[in-house]
Amino acid sequence: AQSVTQLGSHVSVSEGALVLLRCNYSSSVPPYLFWYVQYPNQGLQLLLKYTTGATLVKGINGFEAEFKKSETSFHLTKPSAHMSDAAEYFCAVRKAGNNRKLIWGLGTSLAVNP
Amino acid sequence: ETGVTQTPRHLVMGMTNKKSLKCEQHLGHNAMYWYKQSAKKPLELMFVYSLEERVENNSVPSRFSPECPNSSHLFLHLHTLQPEDSALYLCASSQGYLKGLNTEAFFGQGTRLTVV
Repeated sequence: AQSVTQLGSHVSVSEGALVLLRCNYSSSVPPYLFWYVQYPNQGLQLLLKYTTGATLVKGINGFEAEFKKSETSFHLTKPSAHMSDAAEYFCAVRKAGNNRKLIWGLGTSLAVNP
Repeated sequence: ETGVTQTPRHLVMGMTNKKSLKCEQHLGHNAMYWYKQSAKKPLELMFVYSLEERVENNSVPSRFSPECPNSSHLFLHLHTLQPEDSALYLCASSQGYLKGLNTEAFFGQGTRLTVV
């Protein structure tokens, strides 16, 4: 069965520092991978996704993620954190092909300190 | 209005009450979803409607009853709920039922439900 692990339920960084949110997945076949962000009192918004092709994916708000098949990882990064990045971040996986089910991680809460 | 709109934003109900959550999307999508978001649990897909037909019902108790009268509206009717049903209920829509590489789900802001 597929699963998604987000290491660290809470991450705290200083404004201007590097943001690194970790996501590892288990899948028997290369999956489709997604990062969603949820700002306080809001719904989820797609940040970026990997389907095929280039393994480094750029998303909105300066975020990017790299698919590393050998490490079964899809970590989310941003070079310089901004106060407005404080939110909950969710990694999700969908098996390639006709399987439509999204498997979600538990989320990582990012705090940005001034 | 744009995107996916959910009402009410907050709801407190007793275990014997009957209430409904409403979701409306203005994106021209043909698939709509109900999710339950509880603390310390992965997001749970409850129901999926594609072209106004229910295509998924993920072992959700019958005290939750969805209704999709047209492609723009989705309801979740609630009755005799339990305290453990307290959660954030999110509605989402997409063009196509997660088909294809470019299908993206757009989420509403959610309804925070508290059952007392």
